[in-house]
Amino acid sequence: GQQVMQIPQYQHVQEGEDFTTYCNSSTTLSNIQWYKQRPGGHPVFLIQLVKSGEVKKQKRLTFQFGEAKKNSSLHITATQTTDVGTYFCAGPNYGGSQGNLIFGKGTKLSVKP
Amino acid sequence: KAGVTQTPRYLIKTRGQQVTLSCSPISGHRSVSWYQQTPGQGLQFLFEYFSETQRNKGNFPGRFSGRQFSNSRSEMNVSTLELGDSALYLCASSLAVSGSLSYNEQFFGPGTRLTVL
Repeated sequence: GQQVMQIPQYQHVQEGEDFTTYCNSSTTLSNIQWYKQRPGGHPVFLIQLVKSGEVKKQKRLTFQFGEAKKNSSLHITATQTTDVGTYFCAGPNYGGSQGNLIFGKGTKLSVKP
Repeated sequence: KAGVTQTPRYLIKTRGQQVTLSCSPISGHRSVSWYQQTPGQGLQFLFEYFSETQRNKGNFPGRFSGRQFSNSRSEMNVSTLELGDSALYLCASSLAVSGSLSYNEQFFGPGTRLTVL
């Protein structure tokens, strides 16, 4: 069935280093969403990408959607301790409705001060 | 605007029992989705309701069911609990309108942590 894969599973960085997580879908996606879940918290929506090749920035975060709309990445420049958490990508389940998302397993980011 | 609320926040049950979890979406949101989160399987879609109708159902056994009321509040029920049902159950609401990619973002509640002994 449809799958969304994310790598790496874990990433440990020193504060100030950059961080990137990659997301790959087994099918073409109409859109991709990114969420962040802090330890002990719930997923919080970060952004949605819709267009092929789209790049969006939010301060130190840069999101990309691949040309084939099957992959995406999230890059954080100069990580801070507030960036700690698990980052998930999610795409709509093929044939499903907007509220039916398939999530990647997430990348857990830890930042050493 | 108040966020998504879920009750109870924590539950401890024993195998064979049943449980009902409740979710109140953000005011005006008609779509409510439920997800199960476990360390091994991650976030998995259970079902989605829109205007009291189930729009989609994930790959879970029939012991998992849900419903949505006219005020958009939703409940999910798990019958004959198994040890493997221990998880964080998350509810998410959105403004999602069928056929549109606008207002797609899912607003998650804090979750209900279910432990089955």
